[in-house]
Amino acid sequence: GAGVSQSPRYKVAKRGQDVALRCDPISGHVSLFWYQQALGQGPEFLTYFQNEAQLDKSGLPSDRFFAERPEGSVSTLKIQRTQQEDSAVYLCASSLEGRVLNQPQHFGDGTRLSIL
Amino acid sequence: GENVEQHPSTLSVQEGDSAVIKCTYSDSASNYFPWYKQELGKGPQLIIDIRSNVGEKKDQRIAVTLNKTAKHFSLHITETQPEDSAVYFCAASFPGNQFYFGTGTSLTVIP
Repeated sequence: GAGVSQSPRYKVAKRGQDVALRCDPISGHVSLFWYQQALGQGPEFLTYFQNEAQLDKSGLPSDRFFAERPEGSVSTLKIQRTQQEDSAVYLCASSLEGRVLNQPQHFGDGTRLSIL
Repeated sequence: GENVEQHPSTLSVQEGDSAVIKCTYSDSASNYFPWYKQELGKGPQLIIDIRSNVGEKKDQRIAVTLNKTAKHFSLHITETQPEDSAVYFCAASFPGNQFYFGTGTSLTVIP
């Protein structure tokens, strides 16, 4: 498709389970970002990839969060031993170039994660 | 630390009136300022952006102004329509490949 695609759209998991969220960026986009959006808040940065390289993971809230983009295209955000505070919408965004400071980011519709 | 403040948090206007949303940022090194519209259940959609070498940009009914000295930028929507109702987020780029987003403005356009 033409836009950023995320799957699943909704995920319900029990506390302690592991989850994996997928992002298909716009074809050819070099940069890929993951954000966490709590209800009523703006997106908060989690991590950034330039091609397959994870250049910034300073926003990941704990070592239970792990992201990868092994072939420089599709990315997966994995959360291990989920906690209730992990409940949020997880957004993926991509941008065309690697110089990200002045490039528009294009967002997917997110995965709404609910931890019971 | 890096911060983007956005006001107001909610805004109601009559159809046809103008709406203005304001943001301030903390890092003078920021040089790119996008605005996003987010509808319920959807991801943020870029509606307009401005770079630091420009003071104003307009696209049909939407305009953004930037005051680098004061470190604030504003979104202006004229001739509002019911379909403009959504949550709007400002953002600013910061060194280190990160964007910081404001906390959002819920705009309601009353027919």
